Amino acid sequence: AQSVTQLDSHVSVSEGTPVLLRCNYSSSYSPSLFWYVQHPNKGLQLLLKYTSAATLVKGINGFEAEFKKSETSFHLTKPSAHMSDAAEYFCVVSNTGFQKLVFGTGTRLLVSP
Amino acid sequence: EAGVVQSPRYKIIEKKQPVAFWCNPISGHNTLYWYRQNLGQGPELLIRYENEEAVDDSQLPKDRFSAERLKGVDSTLKIQPAELGDSAVYLCASSLEWVHEQYFGPGTRLTVT
Repeated sequence: AQSVTQLDSHVSVSEGTPVLLRCNYSSSYSPSLFWYVQHPNKGLQLLLKYTSAATLVKGINGFEAEFKKSETSFHLTKPSAHMSDAAEYFCVVSNTGFQKLVFGTGTRLLVSP
Repeated sequence: EAGVVQSPRYKIIEKKQPVAFWCNPISGHNTLYWYRQNLGQGPELLIRYENEEAVDDSQLPKDRFSAERLKGVDSTLKIQPAELGDSAVYLCASSLEWVHEQYFGPGTRLTVT
């Protein structure tokens, strides 16, 4: 069975500073990994996905993530936070592409002026 | 292009009452998912439809939950009778095929008192 662990329930940054949201995964097979973002009263939106191609994945809104098999990690980063980045972020793993997604517990990103 | 539509957005009911949620997927999407998201948790899959067929309902509590997807388009998720522990956000998602990206609706927040 696969699972993900999001190491921080809350992360607070100032606008313009870097963002780091940490995720470790567990999977018996070569996993597909995703990051989703959930803004209040909005649907979950796919930020980026890793499906065994390049280990550094670029997503929307300036986010990127690096797949590190040796560390079983898939951390999400952004060089400079914007106020609009404040939301809940979910790390997600699957052994079957998009078919069966297993979500982490989420990390709430707070961005202060 | 319209996204996944869900209604109602909010519902408050007393325990032991029935409740139903409705989902209209993105036009042309064959695969439809229902998820439940408990407070402070990531979404968990309840059921997946391929057209009219429920192909994965292993996580659906069948004693009180039921779902249908008539004509392979809209879907309804029902709980009867509701229990206090059913309070959660119920999310609907759709994808072109099961291998493709899932698009999520805004969810229905259910409160059982």
